[in-house]
Amino acid sequence: DQQVKQNSPSLSVQEGRISILNCDYTNSMFDYFLWYKKYPAEGPTFLISISSIKDKNEDGRFTVFLNKSAKHLSLHIVPSQPGDSAVYFCAASSQGGSEKLVFGKGTKLTVNP
Amino acid sequence: GAVVSQHPSWVICKSGTSVKIECRSLDFQATTMFWYRQFPKQSLMLMATSNEGSKATYEQGVEKDKFLINHASLTLSTLTVTSAHPEDSSFYICSASWAVGGTGELFFGEGSRLTVL
Repeated sequence: DQQVKQNSPSLSVQEGRISILNCDYTNSMFDYFLWYKKYPAEGPTFLISISSIKDKNEDGRFTVFLNKSAKHLSLHIVPSQPGDSAVYFCAASSQGGSEKLVFGKGTKLTVNP
Repeated sequence: GAVVSQHPSWVICKSGTSVKIECRSLDFQATTMFWYRQFPKQSLMLMATSNEGSKATYEQGVEKDKFLINHASLTLSTLTVTSAHPEDSSFYICSASWAVGGTGELFFGEGSRLTVL
């Protein structure tokens, strides 16, 4: 049973537009969420995180929104750049992030020039 | 979908002993496997990349002799923490890809919690 779901395996957007990547979770114990970015032939790198006490966290062009009642989070990238083309993984943890990460299957983002 | 399984999910050991963690791809051939260490609220630390049949490539700062990685078959990679110490206590996560170098889809294991007493 998948506890973290990324239902869109791929997403294609035009450069300069907004990219929205979605993630749903089922475990109500999750209270810490992270997004990772992965380029081909590299390991995932941390992008941004959010604690369940917040509903939004912003870092430059990247914003993560958390809707606890819907058990849904999303990553917004504005404006999207070709260099953002990568696979994005959503991950969740409990106990304030001290428990093991549970990953979604990833969404491949392609930003077209 | 592809499944990657880790075993054990939780292990407790005494300081000075060695612990082996297995990472298996259950329904695909994992040409490349990655091993990570998870720190609370922090990014995953990539420890090493292993391609089936060849020696693992370790990231800078990771002790090769302490964290032994073997990828002897297309469905199994193992991480052995030798002479474990309390500071090695952490979550260890593997991921697997059917593409060489991990350029294809990446699937994560459930993680293994190591507690060293």
